[in-house]
Amino acid sequence: ETGVTQSPTHLIKTRGQQVTLRCSSQSGHNTVSWYQQALGQGPQFIFQYYREEENGRGNFPPRFSGLQFPNYSSELNVNALELDDSALYLCASSLEKGMNTEAFFGQGTRLTVV
Amino acid sequence: AQKITQTQPGMFVQEKEAVTLDCTYDTSDQSYGLFWYKQPSSGEMIFLIYQGSYDEQNATEGRYSLNFQKARKSANLVISASQLGDSAMYFCAMREAPFGYSTLTFGKGTMLLVSP
Repeated sequence: ETGVTQSPTHLIKTRGQQVTLRCSSQSGHNTVSWYQQALGQGPQFIFQYYREEENGRGNFPPRFSGLQFPNYSSELNVNALELDDSALYLCASSLEKGMNTEAFFGQGTRLTVV
Repeated sequence: AQKITQTQPGMFVQEKEAVTLDCTYDTSDQSYGLFWYKQPSSGEMIFLIYQGSYDEQNATEGRYSLNFQKARKSANLVISASQLGDSAMYFCAMREAPFGYSTLTFGKGTMLLVSP
């Protein structure tokens, strides 16, 4: 086990609704990244938080937003859900140390938008 | 252009045999890191092995080894003595820091099936 936990594990939402996904990072890790993994694809980088501030963002619209809390837990919020948002959402925590930084992933939240 | 290319959608191997999963990458950075992750059906990404761009020797971790050919920009994963539990999706990923922060870019993955 990686020590990274995500909740909920599964979720079904209706198009247009809003959703919040949660991640508890591994103890001591100061960086959390969120990834979206569509069916049959590799994970795509959404954004990254370092010490409670967003310090990087992939090609995702502003309706994808996040927070990182002082205890390094994190949230991913998605507004105005679309059918294409259906995917596995992965949270990864790490202690940033350069190119050999190992990311520890949670088991993911499987979101279905109907 | 894709940064990480995994050309094998699926691979089959018999138990106890070795298998090579291909990965090529594209970057103009001199400093980068290459990772392989295993993703079982449960969804969690499990770290297998890491190779730094400046590492002169190929990385090894137990039954996993990384065949790193820098000039060809390839980082193939070799699994020796395959086991039934190795059946999973395998992703190659690269860490770069083009904008001052580092993040992982993943390939589309290869599904490995190990048969008895």
